[in-house]
Amino acid sequence: LAKTTQPISMDSYEGQEVNITCSHNNIATNDYITWYQQFPSQGPRFIIQGYKTKVTNEVASLFIPADRKSSTLSLPRVSLSDTAVYYCLVGDRVNAGNMLTFGGGTRLMVKP
Amino acid sequence: EAQVTQNPRYLITVTGKKLTVTCSQNMNHEYMSWYRQDPGLGLRQIYYSMNVEVTDKGDVPEGYKVSRKEKRNFPLILESPSPNQTSLYFCASSFGDGSTEAFFGQGTRLTVV
Repeated sequence: LAKTTQPISMDSYEGQEVNITCSHNNIATNDYITWYQQFPSQGPRFIIQGYKTKVTNEVASLFIPADRKSSTLSLPRVSLSDTAVYYCLVGDRVNAGNMLTFGGGTRLMVKP
Repeated sequence: EAQVTQNPRYLITVTGKKLTVTCSQNMNHEYMSWYRQDPGLGLRQIYYSMNVEVTDKGDVPEGYKVSRKEKRNFPLILESPSPNQTSLYFCASSFGDGSTEAFFGQGTRLTVV
């Protein structure tokens, strides 16, 4: 599975847009990029998944450049409740479904 | 409501006393797995199951057992718990179509003294 690198922590303020970038230089052709959110003492929650270009849902957007060596999770107008750890995962869909490999994640702190 | 249910949520036990943490999902998912989360070590997979009667080791299987006799249930068994198994445990499930969208339970905080 491709190794991912994310910032350890980020700070933001309520109402701002937050962009968290994940580096995955060794991403394989069949790999998808998936992001999870985890609140303290709760299980991770799926946010978004993509393969290339841009994916948007009601929670976030995921931007993937053409070379796919990185991806950016964009959270529009964050609130205090978005304070959490965000994980970037990369893996092919056949294997990733049964073995999600979580790295250290990015600890996002949203301040009032 | 679609969910993964773990029980118990909290458990304090003594070294060597066998215990079982139950996990049940109501989404008819093929894949189920167990993770443990420790400070500084992140989430690590213990065991996973691709379907009934099909299980395999994850990254940290030592000291654990699992079984998958029914599609909806995937219990985690600690035959002889030790203090180094004190951790926060999560069960997860997902469809078998290669989806990376997994649903996690609320967690079981286990303390072994």
